[in-house]
Amino acid sequence: KAGVTQTPRYLIKTRGQQVTLSCSPISGHRSVSWYQQTPGQGLQFLFEYFSETQRNKGNFPGRFSGRQFSNSRSEMNVSTLELGDSALYLCASSLAEGLAGRNEQFFGPGTRLTVL
Amino acid sequence: AQSVTQLGSHVSVSEGALVLLRCNYSSSVPPYLFWYVQYPNQGLQLLLKYTSAATLVKGINGFEAEFKKSETSFHLTKPSAHMSDAAEYFCAVSDHQAGTALIFGKGTTLSVSS
Repeated sequence: KAGVTQTPRYLIKTRGQQVTLSCSPISGHRSVSWYQQTPGQGLQFLFEYFSETQRNKGNFPGRFSGRQFSNSRSEMNVSTLELGDSALYLCASSLAEGLAGRNEQFFGPGTRLTVL
Repeated sequence: AQSVTQLGSHVSVSEGALVLLRCNYSSSVPPYLFWYVQYPNQGLQLLLKYTSAATLVKGINGFEAEFKKSETSFHLTKPSAHMSDAAEYFCAVSDHQAGTALIFGKGTTLSVSS
């Protein structure tokens, strides 16, 4: 079974631009979560989607948004990019929504975003 | 709010030596606890998880962790390090209200020398 795939793997943008990252979950998985990983702040939860609805959101500004499609694929968008948005963005999928202890999250390799 | 503290951002061991990576959590209720490993240019892989079934949890690649409520700790151990264990390790916690959201520690980089 194929794992979680994220595209693109690497991305370079300039300040003020916007960017869209894509995540395809493991086949059959319906929940997708997004995390931002930076050297300074570590791994931080962005949001979670299930059945095309945002179920949970971390403490990030409104410039960060996401959506999920009927096939469970998800995209996240960052508008008006800032230098501090440079990070590895990780997507994780799980079978269902609900408690992390009952639904193992499988992580993709991430998209490395560099903002110049 | 839940939080996780990993003591030591970098741990170095010799091949064959004991690996001990420390994790302390703060939670008002018994949480779910996890250890993940991240190899360079890869995502996170689950090593093991505690969900209150047993305090000693065995995971993949010979790792195990013990949940100690009195010490609010969930340290990761492996009796004998292998070169392939060199990676970054993250402890994470989730609470019963937050769905799948995980709160991660800052990570510990494990180096293994021959």
